Amino acid sequence: EVQLVESGGGLVQPGGSLRLSCAASGFTFSSQRMHWVRQVPGKGLVWVSHINSDGSGATYADSVKGRFTISRDNAKSNLYLQMNSLRAEDTAVYYCAGGFDNWGQGTLVTVSS
Amino acid sequence: DVVMTQSPLSLPVTLGQPASISCRSSQSLVHSDGNTYLSWFQQRPGQSPRRLFYRVSNRDSGVPDRFSGSGSGTDFTLKISRVEAEDVGVYYCMQGTHWPPWTFGQGTKVEIK
Repeated sequence: EVQLVESGGGLVQPGGSLRLSCAASGFTFSSQRMHWVRQVPGKGLVWVSHINSDGSGATYADSVKGRFTISRDNAKSNLYLQMNSLRAEDTAVYYCAGGFDNWGQGTLVTVSS
Repeated sequence: DVVMTQSPLSLPVTLGQPASISCRSSQSLVHSDGNTYLSWFQQRPGQSPRRLFYRVSNRDSGVPDRFSGSGSGTDFTLKISRVEAEDVGVYYCMQGTHWPPWTFGQGTKVEIK
């Protein structure tokens, strides 16, 4: 059974940092392009970042470029999102997705003072 | 960026009746490799998104055959032949041809009349 389990969300002050993790199992993680997608509660889905299967390439939405960094550890089947200089508008549920055919349950990030 | 426009945004339907959701892209989604990277997702209340179709009309495993995806170029449609109670939720189209970014439609909320 494919599983993606996010962790690391929580409450952080504006300007702060947070690192999200996504633990993958049930599929060949090292062969799968991975994404982070976020969703403000009650709103639509917004793509945030992607990383290719071997970690050699990544892309970002303009809204997070220069502040967020995606990475992966294929030996541990883990995906990460390092979020720096957080803003109120980054408040959302963050999902990791494997090729968009499998999604985690999401982790809530709240940026507030 | 490619803009994805869904209509309607709200779709009240009677159980057992058909439903149709339109998705239009601001430019053709035909990739240079000949494929069209248009996907449909379902998000039931309180759940993570789930992919229903990829490359316009390829049904994901476990998706009931009352769902169908069609279209080409810039115009795409998701149809439900006979709506059931479990179909309530928000449906999103997403393009993966012209990335980054991957872009989603605004979502269509399907509810029972």
